[in-house]
Amino acid sequence: DTGVSQNPRHKITKRGQNVTFRCDPISEHNRLYWYRQTLGQGPEFLTYFQNEAQLEKSRLLSDRFSAERPKGSFSTLEIQRTEQGDSAMYLCASSLFGLGGELFFGEGSRLTVL
Amino acid sequence: TQLLEQSPQFLSIQEGENLTVYCNSSSVFSSLQWYRQEPGEGPVLLVTVVTGGEVKKLKRLTFQFGDARKDSSLHITAAQPGDTGLYLCAGANTDKLIFGTGTRLQVFP
Repeated sequence: DTGVSQNPRHKITKRGQNVTFRCDPISEHNRLYWYRQTLGQGPEFLTYFQNEAQLEKSRLLSDRFSAERPKGSFSTLEIQRTEQGDSAMYLCASSLFGLGGELFFGEGSRLTVL
Repeated sequence: TQLLEQSPQFLSIQEGENLTVYCNSSSVFSSLQWYRQEPGEGPVLLVTVVTGGEVKKLKRLTFQFGDARKDSSLHITAAQPGDTGLYLCAGANTDKLIFGTGTRLQVFP
């Protein structure tokens, strides 16, 4: 296992289309996080899972966003009816421990909405 | 809403100079982490500080957690071009990390 894997790495889409990102965490990690990052800014928390349970969602996560982790392993983040303001880097991270534990990040999925 | 403000936002220096990055909040955090992020990659953990007043050193990097656990600083001695990147502080809040606004450091040879 070489770390957290995200795909696709880049996605260009037209406004109004749906997109889905996938994250494969480090296999023994039970916690999985999604963050959104715009250029030069710090990552903003979106949601996180412990195993298959989604435990918290940010107010940033509108109804157009949905995340799943069906078997407690990989996760998907879907954005419906994309808007130009959704353009950002979507980062996935996993951790073995809870509060205060190290987050291991993937390389991110960059979304551009035209 | 908990905010972690970092200053400065941008820093451009010559190799060999020293610098300090600050991370401030009005909230208390149980622990604070510093990450570095390079272009096209995810953030990578540098250090975790837990105790108020704690100081940790990592080669030329010195990290300090404020006594009240609301602020932190990162000091780099004799910066090198390889230190270039986006430095992020992150406070632990319940079961998630809240990231700071980021400091972009550019070190020129």
